Amino acid sequence: GDSVTQMEGPVTLSEEAFLTINCTYTATGYPSLFWYVQYPGEGLQLLLKATKADDKGSNKGFEATYRKETTSFHLEKGSVQVSDSAVYFCALTPYNNAGNMLTFGGGTRLMVKP
Amino acid sequence: EPEVTQTPSHQVTQMGQEVILRCVPISNHLYFYWYRQILGQKVEFLVSFYNNEISEKSEIFDDQFSVERPDGSNFTLKIRSTKLEDSAMYFCASSEPGNEKLFFGSGTQLSVL
Repeated sequence: GDSVTQMEGPVTLSEEAFLTINCTYTATGYPSLFWYVQYPGEGLQLLLKATKADDKGSNKGFEATYRKETTSFHLEKGSVQVSDSAVYFCALTPYNNAGNMLTFGGGTRLMVKP
Repeated sequence: EPEVTQTPSHQVTQMGQEVILRCVPISNHLYFYWYRQILGQKVEFLVSFYNNEISEKSEIFDDQFSVERPDGSNFTLKIRSTKLEDSAMYFCASSEPGNEKLFFGSGTQLSVL
């Protein structure tokens, strides 16, 4: 079945550091790929998405590129802020998925220190 | 911004008891979902619901689970006879037709003793 693997956390960075959170997936066909973020005490929020190979999703300074050849969707940000501290989830839905069944990775906690 | 609300935020129950977890999806959304996350594990899909019926469900969603939209605003998950392994954070979500973006609630932490 489909699966998503992301780097284990926690990831601890200083403010303004560069962030990479690795995500790889296993799926048939061309899934849609997502990054969700969960701030403390809140629900998961869609951060960005990409629906086909070589698409780049971006939002709030974060970006991720859909790499079919490496089955990856790594999350990057050039300069993190304390307010970016949260848990980040990589996820996919299968191609032509009418039911929006998300398959999640295990989540990566990011802690940004001033 | 509109949001999905879930109640209660924490629920403690005895093994074998029935529990109902409640959710109020965003008002113009037509697709509804339940996901759960057991402590230390991945967020897992349970069920999706559209047009007053289940559209997809996972292997986890067995006969002990049921969902209902009892009125125009609420969406509930019932567990008939809870087991210890049902202890988890349960997330409700909703989405618009044709939109892959899901809006999640902040979850109900269910503890089965």
